[in-house]
Amino acid sequence: SAVISQKPSRDICQRGTSLTIQCQVDSQVTMMFWYRQQPGQSLTLIATANQGSEATYESGFVIDKFPISRPNLTFSTLTVSNMSPEDSSIYLCSVELAGTDTQYFGPGTRLTVL
Amino acid sequence: GEDVEQSLFLSVREGDSSVINCTYTDSSSTYLYWYKQEPGAGLQLLTYIFSNMDMKQDQRLTVLLNKKDKHLSLRIADTQTGDSAIYFCAEKDTGRRALTFGSGTRLQVQP
Repeated sequence: SAVISQKPSRDICQRGTSLTIQCQVDSQVTMMFWYRQQPGQSLTLIATANQGSEATYESGFVIDKFPISRPNLTFSTLTVSNMSPEDSSIYLCSVELAGTDTQYFGPGTRLTVL
Repeated sequence: GEDVEQSLFLSVREGDSSVINCTYTDSSSTYLYWYKQEPGAGLQLLTYIFSNMDMKQDQRLTVLLNKKDKHLSLRIADTQTGDSAIYFCAEKDTGRRALTFGSGTRLQVQP
């Protein structure tokens, strides 16, 4: 398995501000992803974080709202921009370990927007 | 697009077996996964199965896959109160490699 850390673990933010979430993994990974889990819901993929290039976004998610960086194999950030209460969710990063088909999740960042 | 469906709720008595079911639509699924989420926690990978297998056993967990019917199940033997959680099935297709999740099944274990 892998140890995946996310910062911050939770935050309460004001409408109109932005928050950057960090994801760090201690193993070699091939793929990194960002998911959103709205209250009481399942997980929805936001984007695939690509090393050194622009992320690949899913339908309904755009770079201006959710800019993502992945400067190296083991680190990625997700920014939630110009937040509104509808952005209140848990944001999770996940990784696929090199040489495996297993995907592990970070502990999540619980975001509340007032 | 892909769709994964699960029943929303299951209640069992401690010591009984639990069976959580999942159906999916994507014919190109390569791997299917079961994750557990306890309240306020992240997702814990429980087990997974490759699409050319029909069964996998791991201690108290048994995964059955019927590829023809696109039906996946997770059996938990001797269910304990600590098994109370939400269980998500997820499938991965060959192209995208990200996971598509079901809605989750809330398992309640009564003492």
